[in-house]
Amino acid sequence: EIVLTQSPATLSLSPGERATLSCRASQSIGSFLGWYQQKPGQAPRLLIYDASNRATGIPARFSGSGSGTDFTLTISSLEPEDFAVYYCQQRSIWPGTFGQGTKLEIK
Amino acid sequence: QVQLQESGPGLVKPSGTLSLTCTVSGGSISNSKWWSWVRQPPGKGLEWIGEIHNGGSTNYTPSLKSRVTISVDKSKNQFSLNLSSVTAADTAVYFCARRGYFDSSGHYYPYYFDYWGQGTLVTVSS
Repeated sequence: EIVLTQSPATLSLSPGERATLSCRASQSIGSFLGWYQQKPGQAPRLLIYDASNRATGIPARFSGSGSGTDFTLTISSLEPEDFAVYYCQQRSIWPGTFGQGTKLEIK
Repeated sequence: QVQLQESGPGLVKPSGTLSLTCTVSGGSISNSKWWSWVRQPPGKGLEWIGEIHNGGSTNYTPSLKSRVTISVDKSKNQFSLNLSSVTAADTAVYFCARRGYFDSSGHYYPYYFDYWGQGTLVTVSS
């Protein structure tokens, strides 16, 4: 099973700041990584697919990068609605797995 | 617009069987390849339970494989989850989701969830 390790567990920033979230895979998954945003009481929402492609309707301030085992989600300038929990996910190898999440909180 | 809705008991007794159904609307379940169940214990992260192809083949996460059955009923546009021998550790919000994302150009990316149900909390308690 591929383990996805996200860091940091919690990130405290202010609106307007830049956020950098990391996801590391226990073995190479190529570029087959997705990022999701989850707000309280809601289902996750797909932000990024194939490591660097924004899903439809996702603002340009969200970007993804990486391949192999190291991946990054960057939010260039935080908006109030961006404070949430973010998960990375892979399914290129079964079982599909999620990272444990990074909580982005307002400082 | 595809919509998914979970339904089933919110309370299950220990050692019993958790049974949930996901009803798909806004499109035929046959038009998409893979349908999944994901769960989230209160205050914790996401766990992929398993998935079913509209042709009936299934994949289950190893830690749950001995207790999980996922099935599909195309005539009702539904797929279902059964989890047997439940304990308090199975208390979670259960989500159904469609795996497989189409971008704005119609290209298919099979590894990602694009539509989710809102989730249903199932508590295991006597």
